[in-house]
Amino acid sequence: AQSVTQPDIHITVSEGASLELRCNYSYGATPYLFWYVQSPGQGLQLLLKYFSGDTLVQGIKGFEAEFKRSQSSFNLRKPSVHWSDAAEYFCAVGPLTGTASKLTFGTGTRLQVTL
Amino acid sequence: EAGVTQSPTHLIKTRGQQATLRCSPISGHTSVYWYQQALGLGLQFLLWYDEGEERNRGNFPPRFSGRQFPNYSSELNVNALELEDSALYLCASSGTDRSVNSPLHFGNGTRLTVT
Repeated sequence: AQSVTQPDIHITVSEGASLELRCNYSYGATPYLFWYVQSPGQGLQLLLKYFSGDTLVQGIKGFEAEFKRSQSSFNLRKPSVHWSDAAEYFCAVGPLTGTASKLTFGTGTRLQVTL
Repeated sequence: EAGVTQSPTHLIKTRGQQATLRCSPISGHTSVYWYQQALGLGLQFLLWYDEGEERNRGNFPPRFSGRQFPNYSSELNVNALELEDSALYLCASSGTDRSVNSPLHFGNGTRLTVT
């Protein structure tokens, strides 16, 4: 069965500092990987996705993620965090073929940004 | 373009009662997904409706049910409410591409509180 682990429940960074959110997955084949962001009181918004090609994928809002097959990881990064990045971030894994109903989401990492 | 809308925003019910949550997808989207976001558990897939039919169901008891109307809006019904049903219920829609690659567009959710 597929699974996603986000080891950090809560992370606090200073505005302007770099950010890395961890995501480890378990999947028996090549996975489809996603990062979503949920701002306070909002639904989820897709940041980026990956299933093949360059292992470093760029997303919206200046975020990027790197796929490392050997480590079963898909960590999200941002060089310089803005106060507006405070939100909850979800990693998700799914099959290359199939529907979105097959996505498995992690439990999320809540990011707090201090000024 | 109007986004995914959910109503009500908040719902307070007593244990044993029934709750009805509503979702209107983005115009042109035919698929509607329901998720439960309970504290500390991330997003748990509940139900997927497409073209008026239930296409997939998550690991939830039968008292969680729903339907999709001809205009593609959807209802989620939760019968015999239990305290642990308290959660944020998110609805998402996607277009006619049912693949996992098709991005999900989320509503802001309905916060259900069971007392």
